[in-house]
Amino acid sequence: QQQVKQSPQSLIVQKGGISIINCAYENTAFDYFPWYQQFPGKGPALLIAIRPDVSEKKEGRFTISFNKSAKQFSLHIMDSQPGDSATYFCAATSGGGADGLTFGKGTHLIIQP
Amino acid sequence: GAVVSQHPSWVICKSGTSVKIECRSLDFQATTMFWYRQFPKQSLMLMATSNEGSKATYEQGVEKDKFLINHASLTLSTLTVTSAHPEDSSFYICSASASGTENQPQHFGDGTRLSIL
Repeated sequence: QQQVKQSPQSLIVQKGGISIINCAYENTAFDYFPWYQQFPGKGPALLIAIRPDVSEKKEGRFTISFNKSAKQFSLHIMDSQPGDSATYFCAATSGGGADGLTFGKGTHLIIQP
Repeated sequence: GAVVSQHPSWVICKSGTSVKIECRSLDFQATTMFWYRQFPKQSLMLMATSNEGSKATYEQGVEKDKFLINHASLTLSTLTVTSAHPEDSSFYICSASASGTENQPQHFGDGTRLSIL
C-alpha cells in the first residue's frame, strides 16, 4: 500500500515559470510533511516542511499548500530556474517528525532555459 | 548546521563479504537515526530506525540479521550489510534529527553506493 502518492512523475517547466508538484496521503496519523530535493548521487536535502495546522507555508521561492480535509499537499516553485532541475520528493511522518519518513515516488523536474 | 556525514561514499566488494557504513551527525546530537535504501530512479524506503543505546527497529521485510545496526553514541550509527550479495547492491542513505526538541527535520547524508560483484 502506497501511503504517499506523488504526481507528476516528471515535469518540464520553462525558466521563470511555476513548477507544481502534488502529493496525497492516506494515513491520518501523519502530522509532518517535508519536501526534499535530490541531485544525482547525493542525499536528499530538506527544502521546506509543514504541519497540518497550517494551510500554507512560504520560504523564498518555495511554497507548500496543505489541504487537511482532502489529505493533499503540494509544492510550488516560483520563478523556476535551471538550477532547480532535480528530483523532488514529498514525504510524511508521524510523531511530529520523530518517526521514519514515508516518501512519495519522486518527481523529476527539468527547467528549460 | 545540521550536517550528516556518511562513509564510505562508494564501495565495491565481492559477494559474501560484509560491509560497514558509518553515519555521523557532525554538529548536533541525534538520539535517533534512520537508514533508508534507494534503488536507481526510485524512492527512498525506510529500512530501520536506529536508537542510541538500544536495539534498532526494523521495517517489515527487512532482515535484521542481514542488516546489523549499531548506534553506539549520539553522533554515530553504523549499518553492516552481512554476507552481501549482488541483490544488496543499492544506495544506502542515513538521516538524523537533533535530540530533545519536537518538530526537528531529518537531515540526510550523501549516501553510500554499494556494489556487490
